[in-house]
Amino acid sequence: RKEVEQDPGPFNVPEGATVAFNCTYSNSASQSFFWYRQDCRKEPKLLMSVYSSGNEDGRFTAQLNRASQYISLLIRDSKLSDSATYLCVVKVAGTYKYIFGTGTRLKVLA
Amino acid sequence: DGGITQSPKYLFRKEGQNVTLSCEQNLNHDAMYWYRQDPGQGLRLIYYSQIVNDFQKGDIAEGYSVSREKKESFPLTVTSAQKNPTAFYLCATAGSSYEQYFGPGTRLTVT
Repeated sequence: RKEVEQDPGPFNVPEGATVAFNCTYSNSASQSFFWYRQDCRKEPKLLMSVYSSGNEDGRFTAQLNRASQYISLLIRDSKLSDSATYLCVVKVAGTYKYIFGTGTRLKVLA
Repeated sequence: DGGITQSPKYLFRKEGQNVTLSCEQNLNHDAMYWYRQDPGQGLRLIYYSQIVNDFQKGDIAEGYSVSREKKESFPLTVTSAQKNPTAFYLCATAGSSYEQYFGPGTRLTVT
């Protein structure tokens, strides 16, 4: 089993739609959680950290479920510019090591 | 991301040559990382460093070497022992918030 698993997609959604991605992790000692966005042939950019109580940044909402060991990302009112690959990242407690999922590809269609 | 530079953006080398990729940061972050990304795949950790003069192997360190003589710099050498060096190489840093920031990457092609 991979340490961090994501559905690779692609998720093809129309503009204005709401879309949600899940990511599961296997290490219960995981401490910190993040969502990154990566455009084609570019570096990953931090979208948001994920806090235990959940957090929101504009159209983006992230949730953490420690009991079931998954995190989620919800995108409301999708824009064409949201088309990208979304990476789930987990940092293990007591280390400086980060584990990356392989990403979920999103295509927002006009 | 704005405070991390990687050079060059594209690099071409012949098989059998060592090549060094540069990574410099002005974010004052203690931790620095090197990742490799292959087409359609996730990031894999090559080396990381938590403080100056200290570094640890990641998951795919064979054929690579690093140094951390200054806080701002973490160069990666791809040696001729690396069997499949063609890839997109990404340098990252992390500070006390644990959020990682990436440089723009170097695309290495070895023929």
